[in-house]
Parts: sequence; structure tokens; C-alpha cells
Amino acid sequence: DAGVTQSPTHLIKTRGQQVTLRCSPKSGHDTVSWYQQALGQGPQFIFQYYEEEERQRGNFPDRFSGHQFPNYSSELNVNALLLGDSALYLCASSLYEREKTQYFGPGTRLLVL
Amino acid sequence: DAKTTQPPSMDCAEGRAANLPCNHSTISGNEYVYWYRQIHSQGPQYIIHGLKNNETNEMASLIITEDRKSSTLILPHATLRDTAVYYCIVRVEGSARQLTFGSGTQLTVLP
Repeated sequence: DAGVTQSPTHLIKTRGQQVTLRCSPKSGHDTVSWYQQALGQGPQFIFQYYEEEERQRGNFPDRFSGHQFPNYSSELNVNALLLGDSALYLCASSLYEREKTQYFGPGTRLLVL
Repeated sequence: DAKTTQPPSMDCAEGRAANLPCNHSTISGNEYVYWYRQIHSQGPQYIIHGLKNNETNEMASLIITEDRKSSTLILPHATLRDTAVYYCIVRVEGSARQLTFGSGTQLTVLP
């Protein structure tokens, strides 16, 4: 049973560039949530996707956008990268209707120079 | 979701029980207590959750006080691999709502 997978594992970008991160949920799950974790802090909720729609959103600017595909996988896009976007980006999957908990992937480490 | 308070750090000797406290004095009747841990640079790992009864699984035990205003996560025989940041989170189960992480407790298991 495959767990949550994310790609790439590490990424280096420069200010102003755009980045796309990918997530495949745990088998049987239909909901994907994205979190940003800055160094030394707890993860912060970005948004959640279910049925290919954004269902909830945290306090993040419109530069952060996402997409969910029919196979439940998801992408996180960040435009006009800032140095402060450097962080570990975590994807979590769950079942929307019978959600007991969320299962996290290993994360993508993004460094913006 | 209710706010939680945890000590920033704790040490525990290898092989001994690790008892991690969490205060959640504003918890509502339908909110569960969840525990996650995060080993350095990895994704958070779900440990256990409960409403009001004590819970136990293969990883840990969760003790919730009768008034539900505080709880304790117990790792019965801590190993070096249990060194991690432990997060206590209070939220409604089944709501598909986001997890709100605080600063957590850095547990260091000492040899």
C-alpha cells in the first residue's frame, strides 16, 4: 500500500521564478492538503483540494495556487518566488467524508536564492 | 480549533517512559486530541488521537483528564529513534479541516 509521495525531494530556484510541486495521495484517499513549514516552525496550512476544487484556504497570497487531478493527485504552484518562500512543503492526504486523520508525505525542500 | 500549550523541550532516558504533556483548557465537547510527531526533516507522522477515553495503540498511549482540559502522550519504552518534535493538536474529527500546528515539544531521548 503506497503512502503519500511527493516530488521532487529538493529544489533550488531564484527570486521571481515559478515552481510546481507534486503530490500523490495514499491509496484510497481523495483529499489533498498542502502545508508550508519554515525552518524551526510548525507546518502552516496552505489549502486543501477535494473533487478537483479548492475547499479551504489558509492565510497565503494568491501567488500560491493548486490543482487536483481526476486521479486525486495534486500540484502546488508558487509564482514570483520570494526568499521567504524557502521552506519544506508538505502534502497530506485523507478521506473527505470519513476523515479520521491526515497522512503526510516526506515533503519537498524548496530553497529560493 | 482549541489552542494547545506544550513545553518546548523534554529529555528522556532510553528505555524509560516518555510522558509528554499538553494543555487544552478551551477544548470543545466535539473536539478530539491528536498527536503527531516529526523526526528531523521528515513529514509529520500520526501517532494517536482520542476524545475522552484513554487510547492505546502500538506506538503510544494517550491519557486525557476527566475534564478534558489536558492530556499526556506516553511512549512506554523510549528509544533513540523517538527523538522528534511532538505536536498536540485539538480539532473536530471527520471535518476534513486543516491541522493547526503549534510549536510542539522537542523530545530528546538520551542514551
